[in-house]
Amino acid sequence: KAGVTQTPRYLIKTRGQQVTLSCSPISGHRSVSWYQQTPGQGLQFLFEYFSETQRNKGNFPGRFSGRQFSNSRSEMNVSTLELGDSALYLCASSLAQDGYTFGSGTRLTVV
Amino acid sequence: AQKITQTQPGMFVQEKEAVTLDCTYDTSDPSYGLFWYKQPSSGEMIFLIYQGSYDQQNATEGRYSLNFQKARKSANLVISASQLGDSAMYFCAMREVRTGANNLFFGTGTRLTIIP
Repeated sequence: KAGVTQTPRYLIKTRGQQVTLSCSPISGHRSVSWYQQTPGQGLQFLFEYFSETQRNKGNFPGRFSGRQFSNSRSEMNVSTLELGDSALYLCASSLAQDGYTFGSGTRLTVV
Repeated sequence: AQKITQTQPGMFVQEKEAVTLDCTYDTSDPSYGLFWYKQPSSGEMIFLIYQGSYDQQNATEGRYSLNFQKARKSANLVISASQLGDSAMYFCAMREVRTGANNLFFGTGTRLTIIP
């Protein structure tokens, strides 16, 4: 079966711009969560969506937002990009609470 | 306090040897799940093994086993007969059930290098 698909794989943006990342979960999975991975902070939870509702949110500024569509695909948006937003952004989909499948990630570089 | 602690930033292991990656956790939730993931240089997080806090037996998946010592709050990953393809970052993660939050807390990872 198809895994979790994240697009694009790589992205280069300029400070001050905004960016939208996409995540298509495994078919049938209604929960999608997002994580930011940086060398300094490691893997940090951004937010989780379930059935189009944000169910949980990590400790990130309001510039980071997301949404989920009726087909469970999710997008995350970062506005007013800063250099420190350069990171690997991973999304994970889950059906049950003992299994999280991650995508390959989107590597964002802010210059 | 850190919820997940991985004290080995890097390890070098000879091919075909067994390797143990350490993980300790901190939670007051009686119900939790523990996960190990492998992250190759490509970036994808690959699920390896899961252990629930109420599971009586240690989890095993092929060459991977989880040495779960609940009283010590330890969940070490054991890889038997290591292979060159095992070279990657390894992350231990935990999900707490009581909070109802469906998110994982990750450790800082261990970079495993298998030497031919």
